[in-house]
Amino acid sequence: DAKTTQPNSMESNEEEPVHLPCNHSTISGTDYIHWYRQLPSQGPEYVIHGLTSNVNNRMASLAIAEDRKSSTLILHRATLRDAAVYYCILRDVKSGGSNYKLTFGKGTLLTVNP
Amino acid sequence: NAGVMQNPRHLVRRRGQEARLRCSPVKGHSHVYWYRQLPEEGLKFMVYLQKENIIDESGMPKERFSAEFPKEGPSILRIQQVVRGDSAAYFCASSPRIGRPSDTEAFFGQGTRLTVV
Repeated sequence: DAKTTQPNSMESNEEEPVHLPCNHSTISGTDYIHWYRQLPSQGPEYVIHGLTSNVNNRMASLAIAEDRKSSTLILHRATLRDAAVYYCILRDVKSGGSNYKLTFGKGTLLTVNP
Repeated sequence: NAGVMQNPRHLVRRRGQEARLRCSPVKGHSHVYWYRQLPEEGLKFMVYLQKENIIDESGMPKERFSAEFPKEGPSILRIQQVVRGDSAAYFCASSPRIGRPSDTEAFFGQGTRLTVV
């Protein structure tokens, strides 16, 4: 399985943008890039996913490098409620296999300062 | 719209007792997954079930653990003869029947925190 690499922790100030990087140099052409986050004492929560093009939703934006070897989750204005562990996960689009599994790494612990 | 409901939220068991964790998926979802998060560790896949079928239990310990998702009622993760090492947060997730798993988000419950004393 292709792996992802994320910084262990990042810090941000409230109301400022946050760019959370993820490296996935061994990504295959059929891997989707998914982001989940886990707030303290909560279950993981889906944030966003994409394949090749940049994606936007109400929570965040996902910027995917042209070679797809890295991606960046962008929180446009961090709030205290965005403090969480953010996970970057690859999921193979091919049917069959075990693409239903989410393989969580250690993620990035985001601290938001007031 | 109810999300994934897990109960109990907290469960304390003495060593040797049985633990039963319940998960009601999002209404209409027929795919259920269980994950375990040990203290200071990441979430690990345990089992994937569809109604009345276990599809993949490769992440389940071979002994004492079992899971079911009956035609009616919630999915149950059952741990027999619990030991201290079973203390963890257990999360259930569900996804809809329509759509490819790799292109479909999973909805997680708030978890059951099991403490074995």
